[in-house]
Amino acid sequence: AQRVTQPEKLLSVFKGAPVELKCNYSYSGSPELFWYVQYSRQRLQLLLRHISRESIKGFTADLNKGETSFHLKKPFAQEEDSAMYYCALWTGGFKTIFGAGTRLFVKA
Amino acid sequence: EPEVTQTPSHQVTQMGQEVILRCVPISNHLYFYWYRQILGQKVEFLVSFYNNEISEKSEIFDDQFSVERPDGSNFTLKIRSTKLEDSAMYFCASSENNGFEQYFGPGTRLTVT
Repeated sequence: AQRVTQPEKLLSVFKGAPVELKCNYSYSGSPELFWYVQYSRQRLQLLLRHISRESIKGFTADLNKGETSFHLKKPFAQEEDSAMYYCALWTGGFKTIFGAGTRLFVKA
Repeated sequence: EPEVTQTPSHQVTQMGQEVILRCVPISNHLYFYWYRQILGQKVEFLVSFYNNEISEKSEIFDDQFSVERPDGSNFTLKIRSTKLEDSAMYFCASSENNGFEQYFGPGTRLTVT
């Protein structure tokens, strides 16, 4: 079955601390993975996709096919990073599967 | 920067009534999607639409649901006879190409009473 698991509903860190948002996927083929972010009162927007290997707003994510993971990391969290983060899986069809989301709260 | 728009932002309807949720995707995009998010739950795929036909739909998208692109700009989701459990946030999205970044609308909150 195709599935995206984000084990943490809420992650709370202090400003300046490293942050890692976990994402594991279940898919036997070659996945295309994304991280979407939703800031308060704003729409869902793409943060990054694994194929581009970019760093957006200091966030990076590496696809680990052996562990079927695509964790999102940032070395120094900022207050403006507080948001809802969704990991998403595209399997080559016309459907994108979203994880349940992790709410990141960065404390001052 | 072009954006996906959705109307209305909030719709309240009585159980059994029909509702139409409207979306205007980004103009040069070819792929269109509807998702829903029940309060406190995950974003769930409903349907994708390409070349004037449904390309994929989820098990949630039963006979009560239909989608249409009535003209060159609008993309609608119709729920024929709403149930209480249809209460959710409905998001429209569009993308330039399949598997590419999806651009989301702000959502329509549907409340069925």
